[in-house]
Amino acid sequence: DAKTTQPNSMESNEEEPVHLPCNHSTISGTDYIHWYRQLPSQGPEYVIHGLTSNVNNRMASLAIAEDRKSSTLILHRATLRDAAVYYCILRAPYNQGGKLIFGQGTELSVKP
Amino acid sequence: DTAVSQTPKYLVTQMGNDKSIKCEQNLGHDTMYWYKQDSKKFLKIMFSYNNKELIINETVPNRFSPKSPDKAHLNLHINSLELGDSAVYFCASSPRQGASQPQHFGDGTRLSIL
Repeated sequence: DAKTTQPNSMESNEEEPVHLPCNHSTISGTDYIHWYRQLPSQGPEYVIHGLTSNVNNRMASLAIAEDRKSSTLILHRATLRDAAVYYCILRAPYNQGGKLIFGQGTELSVKP
Repeated sequence: DTAVSQTPKYLVTQMGNDKSIKCEQNLGHDTMYWYKQDSKKFLKIMFSYNNKELIINETVPNRFSPKSPDKAHLNLHINSLELGDSAVYFCASSPRQGASQPQHFGDGTRLSIL
């Protein structure tokens, strides 16, 4: 499975946009880009996923570079409840059973 | 209306005991998973079942035995518990197998071995 690289930690101010980067230079053409987050003392939570085009949902936006070697998760207005570890994960169609392979993620802190 | 529920939430037991963790999903999903999160917060897949059939076994010791009585349930039985088994165990489900399918996680079972 292709690897992702994320900053260990980021800080944001409440009500400001947050851009969480992810590098995946060895991505293959059929890998999906998934984002999950884990709030303290909770299970991981699905945020968004995409293949080639940018994606929006009620939680966030996903911007995918044209060459697909990087992507950015955008939280449009950070709230204190967005403080969590954010994981960028690549999933290959041939990946048996669709398992998620978690890296270390980015720990986002949000200041009031 | 919890989508993926695990019981118990906390489990404290002695080394050498046998224990089970139960997981149920009410989402109508076909695929269920067990993940382990260790003390360094690293999350790793253990098992996956699709329609009651085992499809992933990630070199987990055979002291761990998953059982899926139906596609809404995936239980985890652990024999002869060891100190290294202390971790948080998460159950998850997805509509089907496949790289585009989002996974829904339970809140975890915190297992502590004395």
